[in-house]
Amino acid sequence: DGGITQSPKYLFRKEGQNVTLSCEQNLNHDAMYWYRQDPGQGLRLIYYSQIVNDFQKGDIAEGYSVSREKKESFPLTVTSAQKNPTAFYLCASSQYGGPGSYEQYFGPGTRLTVT
Amino acid sequence: AQKITQTQPGMFVQEKEAVTLDCTYDTSDPSYGLFWYKQPSSGEMIFLIYQGSYDQQNATEGRYSLNFQKARKSANLVISASQLGDSAMYFCAMRGTGRRALTFGSGTRLQVQP
Repeated sequence: DGGITQSPKYLFRKEGQNVTLSCEQNLNHDAMYWYRQDPGQGLRLIYYSQIVNDFQKGDIAEGYSVSREKKESFPLTVTSAQKNPTAFYLCASSQYGGPGSYEQYFGPGTRLTVT
Repeated sequence: AQKITQTQPGMFVQEKEAVTLDCTYDTSDPSYGLFWYKQPSSGEMIFLIYQGSYDQQNATEGRYSLNFQKARKSANLVISASQLGDSAMYFCAMRGTGRRALTFGSGTRLQVQP
């Protein structure tokens, strides 16, 4: 089945440690995205990539880093510089194009808890 | 810059009744797309419906329809014949011409009562 996988579903880390969240898609989509969701709030864009080896900062990129070495993979690293990393992280992908009906497909998310 | 506003933090509806979830948006892009997603308690985001800014007719997908009023910059989601499984968070989102990523509203929690 085509889709997006994120692992693990739950992740626990100690403060000061970097942690990498994985995101893999087999939909052959060009564009991939990382969003952060805090309790009771909407999704905010961290980073996005429209093509391999290229990515752009979103609205809340500070303390995060990404890479896009393969079309199907877009890992997100939460660094120790991120002041409040505990959140629900969602990865998404879509065809790359205009504002048209290229809906984003989302993975199941990773719930990160940093103590 | 794009902005989505959802003014209803929570809504209740009786099973089998219709419900409207409000969404207003702001953008300077001449062309844009509007989306609605459903997020059950499991956390996954489920795409429901799409409306393009130049579409002449309101979008419909099964029990979901989008009441698009361009002049008022509103894109309300109408769910007909509510079911218990419709209980979830609902997010309105938009994509403009500049940035392909979605801008989301803060969401509305819908609870369907038997």
